[in-house]
Amino acid sequence: DAGVTQSPTHLIKTRGQQVTLRCSPKSGHDTVSWYQQALGQGPQFIFQYYEEEERQRGNFPDRFSGHQFPNYSSELNVNALLLGDSALYLCASSWRGRGSTYEQYFGPGTRLTVT
Amino acid sequence: DAKTTQPTSMDCAEGRAANLPCNHSTISGNEYVYWYRQIHSQGPQYIIHGLKNNETNEMASLIITEDRKSSTLILPHATLRDTAVYYCIVRVAIRTDKLIFGTGTRLQVFP
Repeated sequence: DAGVTQSPTHLIKTRGQQVTLRCSPKSGHDTVSWYQQALGQGPQFIFQYYEEEERQRGNFPDRFSGHQFPNYSSELNVNALLLGDSALYLCASSWRGRGSTYEQYFGPGTRLTVT
Repeated sequence: DAKTTQPTSMDCAEGRAANLPCNHSTISGNEYVYWYRQIHSQGPQYIIHGLKNNETNEMASLIITEDRKSSTLILPHATLRDTAVYYCIVRVAIRTDKLIFGTGTRLQVFP
């Protein structure tokens, strides 16, 4: 049973560019959350997708947007990249079904470097 | 802001029990205590969670005080592979709420 997968593993972009990160949830999971983790800090919640809609959003600007596909996979898009967007981007999946205790399972992350 | 307070770092000898404390004095009646850990450069890993009773699984035990204002994660026989940052999080578990991470406790297990 594959866990949460993310691609790419590493990415280097230039200021002002746009980037798309991808996530496939754990088998059987229907909800995807995205987190940003700066060096030395705990992960910060960006947003969560369920049934192809954004359900919750953290304190991140509109430059951060996302999408969820019918197969539950998800993308995170960041426009007009800033140096401060350099971070580890984590995807987490969970299941909303009856009886769920909503543990979130995390992928290995995508390391984004903005130069 | 995180609703929990944890020590910045702790050491533990290999083979000994590691006891990681967490204060959550403002916890609400419907909030659970969750523990995750993050080994260097990997995604966080779920360990255990509980509401008010003590819990045990194959990874760890969770002891929650009777007033629920604090808890302790116990790794009964720490190994070098348990070296990681451990996060204590409180959240409502009846919906897929976001996780609010603090800075966690960096546990170093030494030989």
